[in-house]
Amino acid sequence: DTGVSQNPRHKITKRGQNVTFRCDPISEHNRLYWYRQTLGQGPEFLTYFQNEAQLEKSRLLSDRFSAERPKGSFSTLEIQRTEQGDSAMYLCASSFLTVSGANVLTFGAGSRLTVL
Amino acid sequence: KNEVEQSPQNLTAQEGEFITINCSYSVGISALHWLQQHPGGGIVSLFMLSSGKKKHGRLIATINIQEKHSSLHITASHPRDSAVYICAVGTGNQFYFGTGTSLTVIP
Repeated sequence: DTGVSQNPRHKITKRGQNVTFRCDPISEHNRLYWYRQTLGQGPEFLTYFQNEAQLEKSRLLSDRFSAERPKGSFSTLEIQRTEQGDSAMYLCASSFLTVSGANVLTFGAGSRLTVL
Repeated sequence: KNEVEQSPQNLTAQEGEFITINCSYSVGISALHWLQQHPGGGIVSLFMLSSGKKKHGRLIATINIQEKHSSLHITASHPRDSAVYICAVGTGNQFYFGTGTSLTVIP
C-alpha cells in the first residue's frame, strides 16, 4: 500500500478520555497535514509539518490537542480530555512539491471519532 | 469570508445530465484541486491543475487564473457520481477548502 494510512479508522470513546490517531504518509512526501471535518463541511486545517518540524497550528487546535512527527515520517494526533464537540472525522494528508512548485496532496481515509 | 467558495451547495440531477460545479477563490494559488468524497469514505483527488483544462473520462476541470475561478464538469452523469465534490486551493504552504457540493444523481 503506497497511500496515506490512518489508524484507527473509527474510535468511540467516553467524554474525558484521551485518544490518539496515527498517520503514515507516503514515504516520499515531506509535508504532512491534519484536518478536521464535520458533517456537511469541508476539511478545516489543524496543523502541518514539514519533515519533523511543526510549522503551523490552527486556533482550532486547543491545548487539549497535540500533534507530533518525531522522525519526520509518521505522525500522531492526540486529543486529551475529549469533549462531545470533538466528534468529527480527522483527516491526514501528505504532500510534496513538484519542480513547478505545485503542492501534490494525497489524503488518508480518515479516523472518525465519536465521543459519547 | 471563506478563501474558497463553491456553488451550488447541493445539486440533484437526472442520470445522463451534464453537471457543472463552480469554485471561486480569493488567494494566490500554486494549484487548485478537485476532490471527491463518498459518504463515509475518504477523499480522492480527481484533478490538480494550475492552468487551462484537464479531462479524465467523463470529468473535465477548467481553471481561469485571472478570474480566480474553476469549474468541474461531469458529462453523462451516472448515479455512481453521487458524492461530495470539494474544491481546494494550495498556496504553497497551506490548503484552503470549500465546503463542498453534494451531488445526487437519480437513475
